[in-house]
Amino acid sequence: AQSVAQPEDQVNVAEGNPLTVKCTYSVSGNPYLFWYVQYPNRGLQFLLKYITGDNLVKGSYGFEAEFNKSQTSFHLKKPSALVSDSALYFCAVRGLGGGADGLTFGKGTHLIIQP
Amino acid sequence: DTAVSQTPKYLVTQMGNDKSIKCEQNLGHDTMYWYKQDSKKFLKIMFSYNNKELIINETVPNRFSPKSPDKAHLNLHINSLELGDSAVYFCASSQGAGGQETQYFGPGTRLLVL
Repeated sequence: AQSVAQPEDQVNVAEGNPLTVKCTYSVSGNPYLFWYVQYPNRGLQFLLKYITGDNLVKGSYGFEAEFNKSQTSFHLKKPSALVSDSALYFCAVRGLGGGADGLTFGKGTHLIIQP
Repeated sequence: DTAVSQTPKYLVTQMGNDKSIKCEQNLGHDTMYWYKQDSKKFLKIMFSYNNKELIINETVPNRFSPKSPDKAHLNLHINSLELGDSAVYFCASSQGAGGQETQYFGPGTRLLVL
């Protein structure tokens, strides 16, 4: 069975500082990895995904994530945080099978950017 | 234009009632999903539907049934609602059922069972 761990319930960062939201995964075979963001009372917005190739993936709103196979991690990063980045972030994994399993999500990390 | 839409946005109902949530996507996708987000924000797949093939998560009670009148719609019917069904339900769609496909989510339907 596949699983995702987001070890931090909350991450606090000062505006303008770099941010990292951690994610580790467990899946049989090569993973497909995703990051989504959820603003209050809104749906999930896709940020970026890793399928294959370059380990550094760039996505929406200046976010990027680094796939590390040996550490089974896919941490989300941004060089300079904005107050508007404050939201709930989800890491998700999907195995090669696709279809039935859907996305397996982590429990989410609240990102709070302080002015 | 909204890519994945859901109606209603809010649904308050009594235990034992039957209700439906509608989902429509205008992305031309051929795979749709239903997810449940509980009060702790945990998200879990309920169903996926592709080319008339329905895949059900084994933990979903049979009171829940998805119905797809066409490729652009996947509605969720819930019979005999229980207090524990209170949650936010998200519809999503993707182009194909492959694991690499990006899923696009609707805004969610907040269901409260009293």
